[in-house]
Amino acid sequence: NAGVTQTPKFRILKIGQSMTLQCTQDMNHNYMYWYRQDPGMGLKLIYYSVGAGITDKGEVPNGYNVSRSTTEDFPLRLELAAPSQTSVYFCASIEGTGKFSLNTGELFFGEGSRLTVL
Amino acid sequence: AQSVAQPEDQVNVAEGNPLTVKCTYSVSGNPYLFWYVQYPNRGLQFLLKYITGDNLVKGSYGFEAEFNKSQTSFHLKKPSALVSDSALYFCAIYNFNKFYFGSGTKLNVKP
Repeated sequence: NAGVTQTPKFRILKIGQSMTLQCTQDMNHNYMYWYRQDPGMGLKLIYYSVGAGITDKGEVPNGYNVSRSTTEDFPLRLELAAPSQTSVYFCASIEGTGKFSLNTGELFFGEGSRLTVL
Repeated sequence: AQSVAQPEDQVNVAEGNPLTVKCTYSVSGNPYLFWYVQYPNRGLQFLLKYITGDNLVKGSYGFEAEFNKSQTSFHLKKPSALVSDSALYFCAIYNFNKFYFGSGTKLNVKP
């Protein structure tokens, strides 16, 4: 099982450039999440999706966009990159978040994408 | 509003000694609580969770956590620490389709 796969693992961007971080999962999970991790700040939720065609903002959505056209894929787009977006980005998925799913399932994470904006 | 607090940036413990990593939370309604571990340059890995039932929850690698509703805490514990337990530990809470994470606690286990 591949689980949650993120690409690229590393990327350097110039200020003002745009890029897309790819995330795909092969577990048929409905719920998917994008987090960013900054030192000492833990993980902050950027966007999440509860199913194909449905997305919603998290705690820190500004400067980002997402789409969810299929169950498997949840790409994160950075428009007009800024140095404040230098971070490690994690994609995660879980089957669902009803009580039953939380009892039986867990949140699976990708290996992360390290982005530097210069 | 919901929040998770991990009051210690770092915990140092000698190998073989018991360890505790602290977590407190704030949420309306019943809490769904989790612990995750992160090794260097890796994604987070699930350790254990509290959904309902017994206040003492057992998880992977010999870890356990105690849910205390009156103190709104969910501390992670292990009776005997290993050097290989050294990592970054995150407490998390689930609320309305979203998982919220604490700031993380770095655990250093010294030989």
